[in-house]
Amino acid sequence: NAGVTQTPKFQVLKTGQSMTLQCAQDMNHNSMYWYRQDPGMGLRLIYYSASEGTTDKGEVPNGYNVSRLNKREFSLRLESAAPSQTSVYFCASSETKNTEAFFGQGTRLTVV
Amino acid sequence: GENVEQHPSTLSVQEGDSAVIKCTYSDSASNYFPWYKQELGKGPQLIIDIRSNVGEKKDQRIAVTLNKTAKHFSLHITETQPEDSAVYFCAAAGPNSGYALNFGKGTSLLVTP
Repeated sequence: NAGVTQTPKFQVLKTGQSMTLQCAQDMNHNSMYWYRQDPGMGLRLIYYSASEGTTDKGEVPNGYNVSRLNKREFSLRLESAAPSQTSVYFCASSETKNTEAFFGQGTRLTVV
Repeated sequence: GENVEQHPSTLSVQEGDSAVIKCTYSDSASNYFPWYKQELGKGPQLIIDIRSNVGEKKDQRIAVTLNKTAKHFSLHITETQPEDSAVYFCAAAGPNSGYALNFGKGTSLLVTP
């Protein structure tokens, strides 16, 4: 099983460019999440989708949008990238509430 | 929202010693408390979790304790080994956060031979 797959693994953007981070899970999970990880800050929740068709803001949603395309896929879009969005982005999924969350390998994004 | 604090930020122990990492949370409605281990260049992986209806859970060398009254929970690793070296994160979730995990800032554990 692939689990949670994120693409791309690495990306460099110029300030003002847009891009979409892709995430797909093959475990038939209901809930999906996007986190960003910065040195000394832990993992901070950007957006989550408790079930197909729903999305909610997390702790740091500004500058991002998400789409729960179907049960498998949850994408994160940066409309106009800023250097402050340089980070490692992790997608995760869980079967339902209060169950183990499985994480992807991460996308390392640099905005110059 | 939920605020999770984790201490210490770094911890160095000798192989065979025990390691303890402590977390506090702010939302009394939180009812799920997992611990994740992250190795360099990888995503976090669950190592143990506890729900609010129990006070302690053990899995071989790893144990977690929960004190709901004081709103704190701890990770205990006994007989540490070099391969335990990693960053450990605690998290809390509950109805007020949509059951999404709120993480502490992490503890970098180094086990020296």
